[in-house]
Amino acid sequence: KQEVTQIPAALSVPEGENLVLNCSFTDSAIYNLQWFRQDPGKGLTSLLLIQSSQREQTSGRLNASLDKSSGRSTLYIAASQPGDSATYLCARTGGTSYGKLTFGQGTILTVHP
Amino acid sequence: GAVVSQHPSWVICKSGTSVKIECRSLDFQATTMFWYRQFPKQSLMLMATSNEGSKATYEQGVEKDKFLINHASLTLSTLTVTSAHPEDSSFYICSARDSNLVSGEQFFGPGTRLTVL
Repeated sequence: KQEVTQIPAALSVPEGENLVLNCSFTDSAIYNLQWFRQDPGKGLTSLLLIQSSQREQTSGRLNASLDKSSGRSTLYIAASQPGDSATYLCARTGGTSYGKLTFGQGTILTVHP
Repeated sequence: GAVVSQHPSWVICKSGTSVKIECRSLDFQATTMFWYRQFPKQSLMLMATSNEGSKATYEQGVEKDKFLINHASLTLSTLTVTSAHPEDSSFYICSARDSNLVSGEQFFGPGTRLTVL
């Protein structure tokens, strides 16, 4: 069974801190890995997508890395802001679940002023 | 670009009625769309894969006669919850995969909150 695990489950930081969210997966036959943001009661916003041939992607204050050999991806958020407060989900496609996203349980991030 | 809409955004219905939820890709074609269900404080659970012009593929444990999926065009998939009961109350989210993107990136709709009384 392919699993995606996110650590920590919840994180509370003061504004301005740099932080790292972790995602691990059990099957290295990955096609791509996506990071999403979900605000309460809302749908998902795609933040970054890393294809299997890539090691990292950057968008603004966000940087996501992918290490297939260790089955890990990290989302780095620089200079966090209260507006970054949300649930962050990682999801992978590939392996036996080609085309389907397998989600982690998410990390609830709170950035307080 | 890459916008996916869902309609309605929320719906309240009586037990025993059927509810239809629409998922549209507004600015791209989507051969494949996906339907997810999300319970409070939980992650998304894939219900089914919707393929344009063919039957949907349902995940294990999802009743295909309960959750009817139709993908009649490259921009529209519908999910009908038949004979809804209170246990069907949930947040339903669709996603669409851009047919022109090799990456297979999926774009998500804003979700539909279903409450069955």
